[in-house]
Amino acid sequence: AQTVTQSQPEMSVQEAETVTLSCTYDTSESDYYLFWYKQPPSRQMILVIRQEAYKQQNATENRFSVNFQKAAKSFSLKISDSQLGDAAMYFCAYRSAIVRGGTSYGKLTFGQGTILTVHP
Amino acid sequence: EAQVTQNPRYLITVTGKKLTVTCSQNMNHEYMSWYRQDPGLGLRQIYYSMNVEVTDKGDVPEGYKVSRKEKRNFPLILESPSPNQTSLYFCASRETLQGAYTEAFFGQGTRLTVV
Repeated sequence: AQTVTQSQPEMSVQEAETVTLSCTYDTSESDYYLFWYKQPPSRQMILVIRQEAYKQQNATENRFSVNFQKAAKSFSLKISDSQLGDAAMYFCAYRSAIVRGGTSYGKLTFGQGTILTVHP
Repeated sequence: EAQVTQNPRYLITVTGKKLTVTCSQNMNHEYMSWYRQDPGLGLRQIYYSMNVEVTDKGDVPEGYKVSRKEKRNFPLILESPSPNQTSLYFCASRETLQGAYTEAFFGQGTRLTVV
């Protein structure tokens, strides 16, 4: 079974600075997807960024980027120019790309979450 | 607007009183699932459904039931709730295309307290 570990329960950053959230995972599969979700106080789960394991290039979405190290099974999230609106719980998640019975196996396996505080 | 709608958003109930949390999606998605979120544990899958009348257990199915009689609806049923089912619950749906890289859409969450 796959596992996802976020070893930082809490992180803080000054507004306009850069912060990196860590995520490691364990899997025996070679083809999978990785995600970072943001959960603000409203509880809504918002997809921040995603990475396909077969792509070596790190994904980037505006101020958000990842450092994907497949051999090390590491998937960290870097937030540049942090803003007050970035304050939230962040979850790292894994999904297998294995096709079973003609449809994709869809379970997301989540890490424990990291609470990010942004100081003005 | 594409969305997943859960109801209610907040619920306080007593031990043993049957309850249902509804989930509906308007995107014609085949795949739907339920997760519970607990501090220090992240989100864990309870049940999932590949399509109408096709459901299966996730990682933490004990004490829960689901049904999928229509493609858009996937209710979560607690026949006899217990305090250890106090949690934040999320319904999610996703388009299921073989080999495709598709995003999961989440509902707004249901905060359940069992006393």
